[in-house]
Amino acid sequence: DVKVTQSSRYLVKRTGEKVFLECVQDMDHENMFWYRQDPGLGLRLIYFSYDVKMKEKGDIPEGYSVSREKKERFSLILESASTNQTSMYLCASSPQDRGNYGYTFGSGTRLTVV
Amino acid sequence: AQSVAQPEDQVNVAEGNPLTVKCTYSVSGNPYLFWYVQYPNRGLQFLLKYITGDNLVKGSYGFEAEFNKSQTSFHLKKPSALVSDSALYFCAVRGADSNYQLIWGAGTKLIIKP
Repeated sequence: DVKVTQSSRYLVKRTGEKVFLECVQDMDHENMFWYRQDPGLGLRLIYFSYDVKMKEKGDIPEGYSVSREKKERFSLILESASTNQTSMYLCASSPQDRGNYGYTFGSGTRLTVV
Repeated sequence: AQSVAQPEDQVNVAEGNPLTVKCTYSVSGNPYLFWYVQYPNRGLQFLLKYITGDNLVKGSYGFEAEFNKSQTSFHLKKPSALVSDSALYFCAVRGADSNYQLIWGAGTKLIIKP
């Protein structure tokens, strides 16, 4: 069963901590994405990557960075966590073959910054 | 610019009745259209997609969606709702000539009452 795995389901961190959210996919997908989901705001794209060592800013990159050193792993980094980064974080991957552009999502990480 | 609209924040349906969750879109060129479902504290799960071919697309859990090019709509339907269908539903679109990103609707909360 193909899947996207996010390392933590629930995470509690203190303000100012450096936080790493890990995402691993086993489908050999080229594209990977990080979203945050907040009530009433839907899905907002933070960063995405179309290839190893490549990254592009999404709609709300401020306060975040990413790393993609290997094709299967896409990490989201909160350099100095703040309470307004309390949210549900979703990782997704997708292939680049024509006719199949659907995303596969991880189960999400609910991050609370206190 | 590409966009997706889900005009209803919430849809309430009695168990056993037919349900419809609405989605309209705006893209340049031919659209690729998707529906996803999200259960509480989980990631999004793929339901169905329209790329080309028959306007009526069948998907998981008895759901189907009808592509209507003239009305630029892709409404999600099910003939007989189950309480277990209660969840958050997202419509997404990708333009055929765009990059690999999906554009997401804001989501519709579906509540099925026994």
